[in-house]
Amino acid sequence: NAGVTQTPKFQVLKTGQSMTLQCAQDMNHNSMYWYRQDPGMGLRLIYYSASEGTTDKGEVPNGYNVSRLNKREFSLRLESAAPSQTSVYFCASSDISTYEQYFGPGTRLTVT
Amino acid sequence: AQSVAQPEDQVNVAEGNPLTVKCTYSVSGNPYLFWYVQYPNRGLQFLLKYITGDNLVKGSYGFEAEFNKSQTSFHLKKPSALVSDSALYFCAVRDVSGGSYIPTFGRGTSLIVHP
Repeated sequence: NAGVTQTPKFQVLKTGQSMTLQCAQDMNHNSMYWYRQDPGMGLRLIYYSASEGTTDKGEVPNGYNVSRLNKREFSLRLESAAPSQTSVYFCASSDISTYEQYFGPGTRLTVT
Repeated sequence: AQSVAQPEDQVNVAEGNPLTVKCTYSVSGNPYLFWYVQYPNRGLQFLLKYITGDNLVKGSYGFEAEFNKSQTSFHLKKPSALVSDSALYFCAVRDVSGGSYIPTFGRGTSLIVHP
């Protein structure tokens, strides 16, 4: 039981490049989330998926897109990376009956 | 609307002493409250939650938190701190009866336990 896994762990991009961050969970959770963490800002929600087949914008969705590929997988895409997207990205999942979230180990992204 | 505040950026405590990390919240309905811990270069880990029932909630690693509705607080406590408790702690709130599905996180409090 791996919980929530994320790939890659680290990534350096040049401005304008694109990339997809992958997330998978093996806990059969319905809901999945993408957050970014910046110093002094806490966690900010980018997008979430309440259940398979649905996605919704969070607090800071601009510059990102998501895909809920199936119940297990939820990917985050940066179409044209900008230095302001330098951050640590966390994926999380939760079950509708227990409410707490389970987080992946994070992806540290630097955009130069 | 829902919000949560962690008024201290950093808390310092000596090993063996009791610790408190403060959290206050604002919701229009009934709150679901959570504490998470983040160790360096790791994701957040769930510590404990208040949904309903007993106001004193016990969680992992000897931590507990008390829900106080009149003061809209949910402070995290531990009777005797360990150096290994040093980490970043996040409080989160979800206004269930207000129709909110998504939790709001505080900005985090860095706990430093000195040997």
